Amino acid sequence: SQTIHQWPATLVQPVGSPLSLECTVEGTSNPNLYWYRQAAGRGLQLLFYSVGIGQISSEVPQNLSASRPQDRQFILSSKKLLLSDSGFYLCAWSEWGRAGNQPQHFGDGTRLSIL
Amino acid sequence: SQQGEEDPQALSIQEGENATMNCSYKTSINNLQWYRQNSGRGLVHLILIRSNEREKHSGRLRVTLDTSKKSSSLLITASRAADTASYFCATLNNNDMRFGAGTRLTVKP
Repeated sequence: SQTIHQWPATLVQPVGSPLSLECTVEGTSNPNLYWYRQAAGRGLQLLFYSVGIGQISSEVPQNLSASRPQDRQFILSSKKLLLSDSGFYLCAWSEWGRAGNQPQHFGDGTRLSIL
Repeated sequence: SQQGEEDPQALSIQEGENATMNCSYKTSINNLQWYRQNSGRGLVHLILIRSNEREKHSGRLRVTLDTSKKSSSLLITASRAADTASYFCATLNNNDMRFGAGTRLTVKP
C-alpha cells in the first residue's frame, strides 16, 4: 500500500533562517506531488505541484521554492524565512495523470512557527 | 485564492443526528471532492463526484452535486462523536484545484 511521510511534525525557526521540509511517498511510481499551506482555521493554499522529476509549477509568488530530486521525494525550501511563512504545511500525492482527477492523499503536516 | 465556500462555517449536533454541509463555487468544474481533517492532521479524501454525476454514496456519506446552482452538499447520517472534524470541499477546473475554508463539525456524545 502507498504511504506518505512528511517531517518534521513541528518546527520553530527564527526569522531569516533557512528551511527545508521533506516529503517522501512509498508504494507508487511517478506520482503527482503537492505542497500546500494552511493558515489557522482556513482552507488550503496550493504552493507548488510537480508531475515529474525536476518539473515544478508554482502557484503563487512567494519566499519559498520546491524541488523534486527523485521520483517520490518533494522538498520545500526557503533561503530566508519571513514571519508570514508561519503556518501548517501539507504535502500530498495523487496517482499520475491529470492533476485533480484523482483523490489526493495527504501527509500529517508540519507546523512551522517563525519567531 | 479559494473557489469553494462551505456553509455553515461551524456546525454542532448531537450524536445520532444527521449533519449537512454545503459547498458553493463560482466557475465550471471537472469534479468536486470532499475531504475531512482532524485537528492538526492531514486531509483524508472522502468522495469525488464528477461534473456529470448528481449523487454519490459511501457508507454514511451522501454527496450531491447541482452544477446549475454551482453547489454541492455532504450529508453524514447517524453521526458519531468520531465524525468531529473539519470538512472541506475542493473543486477542479482544468488543472486548477481549489479548497474551501471548511466546515467545523462537532458531534456531541
